[in-house]
Amino acid sequence: QSALTQPPSASGSPGQSVTISCTGTSSDVGGYNHVSWYQHHPGKTPKLIIYEVSERPSGVPDRFSGSKSGNTASLTVSGLQAEDEAEYYCSSFAGSNSLLFGGGTKLTVL
Amino acid sequence: EVQLVESGGDLVQPGGSLRLSCAASGFTFSSYWMHWVRQAPGKGLVWVSRMDRDGSYKRYADSVKGRFTISRDNAKSTVYLQMNSLRGEDTAVYYCARGGNYEWNALDVWGQGTTVTVSS
Repeated sequence: QSALTQPPSASGSPGQSVTISCTGTSSDVGGYNHVSWYQHHPGKTPKLIIYEVSERPSGVPDRFSGSKSGNTASLTVSGLQAEDEAEYYCSSFAGSNSLLFGGGTKLTVL
Repeated sequence: EVQLVESGGDLVQPGGSLRLSCAASGFTFSSYWMHWVRQAPGKGLVWVSRMDRDGSYKRYADSVKGRFTISRDNAKSTVYLQMNSLRGEDTAVYYCARGGNYEWNALDVWGQGTTVTVSS
């Protein structure tokens, strides 16, 4: 049950785009289309922003998009805004015994 | 309003026990899988356990298997996490989260968390 691999940090200027990767294995990310992404501001509740690799819940701006290739999933934030500065976690279903999270990526808006 | 409210977090000595509760409101609780996720100080999110809609199917992370027990009372719209043989590494904020109708659904509603500190 190893955690998924995310870069510890990412950054971009307002208006730019940034992509955060999430690497797993064929037993999790590569084996299922059940990858989700969560936004977590300090002191607040984690918020689901992407599910099933690329679906957005109601109310999440279309600036957030997700994709997957092989064992790596990606979250792209376009048109960066100051309020996007947060910790981002990927997650993948990993079969009957597990749900894996990534280590988190701190996104800084410069 | 859809809401999850955790309670029960406390300071407990190593080897001790604690029961966390998560009260749900604003949705049909019995229709959803429920999960517990924790976050140790300065660390990332880690999945702990999940349970199906009627409580017959339970799964645990290896790190808590045999020590933690998840349960639910659909009549009270509440999910519980009984934690025994607590260790220092169990120190964390514990969140309950709503899954979906299926085991693999994402966690779309989270509580505010309750803090568990294991220390002598």
